[in-house]
Amino acid sequence: EVQLVESGGGLVQPGGSLRLSCVASGFSFSNYWMNWVRQAPGKGLEWVAKIKEDGSEKYYVDSVKGRFSISRDNARNSLYLQMNSLRAEDTAVYYCARLLWWSQYDYWGQGTLVTVSS
Amino acid sequence: QSALTQPRSVSGSPGQSVTISCTGTSSDVGGYNYVSWYQQHPGKAPKLMIYDVSKRPSGVPDRFSGSKSGNTASLTISGLQAEDEADYYCSSYAGSLHVVFGGGTKLTVL
Repeated sequence: EVQLVESGGGLVQPGGSLRLSCVASGFSFSNYWMNWVRQAPGKGLEWVAKIKEDGSEKYYVDSVKGRFSISRDNARNSLYLQMNSLRAEDTAVYYCARLLWWSQYDYWGQGTLVTVSS
Repeated sequence: QSALTQPRSVSGSPGQSVTISCTGTSSDVGGYNYVSWYQQHPGKAPKLMIYDVSKRPSGVPDRFSGSKSGNTASLTISGLQAEDEADYYCSSYAGSLHVVFGGGTKLTVL
């Protein structure tokens, strides 16, 4: 059974940093592109970042470029999102999602809530 | 890229059929056959219901079907059941490794 389990969310002040983690199981993690997708409270879904199977390619939505960094450790079946210079508008539930293909996501974690507030 | 346009809400009675539309442009929905639909119950993660416009992942009931005409994709749920009550989001590949999501539609089963 495919499982994705996120952790690391919490309350952080504007300008602060947070590192999210996602541990994968039930599939060959190193064979898939992985993504972070977020959902602000009461709002829709927004793709945040993606990383290639071997970590050699990374892409970000414009609003987080230069502030967020996606990475992975295939030996630990883990995906990460380092978030710096956080803003109120980054407040959201962050989901780890496996890419099926062509920007379609077939498995999602349960999400971790990030709240940016003073 | 602008978000895809979905109705804010739709409703139907048990056993009926409902259709949710998702309108984009020739740069996303109309340009690629990579439209997907996600079901999200309150407080839960999204679940893939349809991909590649009309394909169903294993385990998704055949009551759920997808289609596309021009720049508009549609999700049809037939034989509506109480557990279908949820939010539904469409998404489309938009070229250059970009994805665009719809704003979501709340389905109410009366």
